[in-house]
Amino acid sequence: GENVEQHPSTLSVQEGDSAVIKCTYSDSASNYFPWYKQELGKRPQLIIDIRSNVGEKKDQRIAVTLNKTAKHFSLHITETQPEDSAVYFCAASGGAGKSTFGDGTTLTVKP
Amino acid sequence: GAVVSQHPSRVICKSGTSVKIECRSLDFQATTMFWYRQFPKQSLMLMATSNEGSKATYEQGVEKDKFLINHASLTLSTLTVTSAHPEDSSFYICSAPRHQSNYGYTFGSGTRLTVV
Repeated sequence: GENVEQHPSTLSVQEGDSAVIKCTYSDSASNYFPWYKQELGKRPQLIIDIRSNVGEKKDQRIAVTLNKTAKHFSLHITETQPEDSAVYFCAASGGAGKSTFGDGTTLTVKP
Repeated sequence: GAVVSQHPSRVICKSGTSVKIECRSLDFQATTMFWYRQFPKQSLMLMATSNEGSKATYEQGVEKDKFLINHASLTLSTLTVTSAHPEDSSFYICSAPRHQSNYGYTFGSGTRLTVV
């Protein structure tokens, strides 16, 4: 089955700096890669996603890049703010629809 | 649009009892529902996939007789934790594809189960 690895597990940045989280996946059949933000005790919220026919997608301060050949994708957050502090999960999905999640990255943005 | 309502949000039960968790799609038809379990500070682990009108598919290592899943209609899927034990205490969350063709998902609000 699919295996998703996510790094780093924790990330601390100063407000205004950029944050980058990276994920690799194993199943070349995966074709949908969402990123979720989860605050403590709450449901994961989709923040951005990308499909395998696209190399990069941007939404304001958030961007995702995908390298299908290398089987890795990354989340980029620019101009970080304290409210960006949360746990971020990447995921990979294939034709069956079910997602395999990375282990999560705890992002702390220091004011 | 694409809202999944999950109840209860929190439940405390005694060891040996059963707990039912419901997930309803409010404004769309969910022919498939994914059930996840999340332990503190860990990732979401897929437990099983329920499909309306057929048996659920369980992931390896998940006891199907302990975690009963029923997909009664196109808008309702339930997870029943039977004979609960303290080690079953966790955050349970469901997720449904928004539409079969675009792979977007929407999550329920989650259920915090504590077994005492």
